[in-house]
Amino acid sequence: AQSVTQLDSQVPVFEEAPVELRCNYSSSVSVYLFWYVQYPNQGLQLLLKYLSGSTLVESINGFEAEFNKSQTSFHLRKPSVHISDTAEYFCAVSSINAGNNRKLIWGLGTSLAVNP
Amino acid sequence: SQTIHQWPATLVQPVGSPLSLECTVEGTSNPNLYWYRQAAGRGLQLLFYSVGIGQISSEVPQNLSASRPQDRQFILSSKKLLLSDSGFYLCAWSRLDHNEQFFGPGTRLTVL
Repeated sequence: AQSVTQLDSQVPVFEEAPVELRCNYSSSVSVYLFWYVQYPNQGLQLLLKYLSGSTLVESINGFEAEFNKSQTSFHLRKPSVHISDTAEYFCAVSSINAGNNRKLIWGLGTSLAVNP
Repeated sequence: SQTIHQWPATLVQPVGSPLSLECTVEGTSNPNLYWYRQAAGRGLQLLFYSVGIGQISSEVPQNLSASRPQDRQFILSSKKLLLSDSGFYLCAWSRLDHNEQFFGPGTRLTVL
């Protein structure tokens, strides 16, 4: 069985400060890893994903995440946040060899609040 | 390009009334389809998923049901709503051989 733990339920931060949202997972098989963002009253949008290759992945709006297999982590970071980054962030994993079962296992989310 | 639609966007229903939420996907074929519920302040709970027409897998026993009458249509239903059915309902799709899911805009359901 797989599980995802997002270590912080809420992260308050000031504008232009750096931020790290932590995600750890547990799995007996190899996994793909995802970060999704949800703005208020909207659906989820994919922020970035790790499938293979370089362990550091980047999004178009300045976020990055690093896959650390030994620590089973996929923490999300941004060196300088904006007010517009205020949102709920979800970490998710899925098995690489899932066959027809493409379910994602979700963390409970981290609420990022960027204050002026 | 692919798009996913959900309606209605918001819904207020009395306890004991029926429910029908619809989700459609455009621009792709044979998608995997998913229904999630998101309660206030909580994470995503997978309710149902479907790998093809008429094929529904239920993740959580409850008074909700799902149907897939067409390849790109996924319907969430209930015969009698409970107060605990209130929440934000999200539909998602993924390509048959991919894990990345794409989400619709969601339906906010309030049961009074």
